[in-house]
Amino acid sequence: GAGVSQSPSNKVTEKGKDVELRCDPISGHTALYWYRQSLGQGLEFLIYFQGNSAPDKSGLPSDRFSAERTGGSVSTLTIQRTQQEDSAVYLCASSLLAQQETQYFGPGTRLLVL
Amino acid sequence: DQQVKQNSPSLSVQEGRISILNCDYTNSMFDYFLWYKKYPAEGPTFLISISSIKDKNEDGRFTVFLNKSAKHLSLHIVPSQPGDSAVYFCAATKGSQGNLIFGKGTKLSVKP
Repeated sequence: GAGVSQSPSNKVTEKGKDVELRCDPISGHTALYWYRQSLGQGLEFLIYFQGNSAPDKSGLPSDRFSAERTGGSVSTLTIQRTQQEDSAVYLCASSLLAQQETQYFGPGTRLLVL
Repeated sequence: DQQVKQNSPSLSVQEGRISILNCDYTNSMFDYFLWYKKYPAEGPTFLISISSIKDKNEDGRFTVFLNKSAKHLSLHIVPSQPGDSAVYFCAATKGSQGNLIFGKGTKLSVKP
């Protein structure tokens, strides 16, 4: 079946602009996660959604970052007033449930803020 | 403070030999550990996992060992193949938590 998909695959933007990144999880997966990987770093957790529960936003680095998940499926990560330090690969993952479940990752969106 | 550490940024191994990738963690509450493989320009791919109630899990050429007292786990690949060349990430989580905590990765190069 189809895996996790993300769009766009690459995004170049100017400092101060807003960007939206999209994630389509695996069908039937109730948990969805956003991570980012900066150059030379490991994956850094941003936010996760589990079913209809309130999202865990504990990893969001600032209030310029927000995410929503509509209808329990597609998710959008929004970065407002982008800064150069926001440049990274943004990765989305989904799992059947949360807690001790294997997370399956999409290919990522490479964001470059000039 | 890094809770999951992969202290070797790179490892080079001859084809056919064993590759051993190491990972240390500091949080004794972690109870589930995973290894992911990542090729350039792709997302991480799940390899193998282990629960803290076990000390070994094997899947084909891949074996993960967990030493809870030392807070250490390792991934063994035998025999290593050139296609195994990638960055390997160790990740950990705890029962009440959904997100994974990742190490910075080890780049494995398997030479023919």
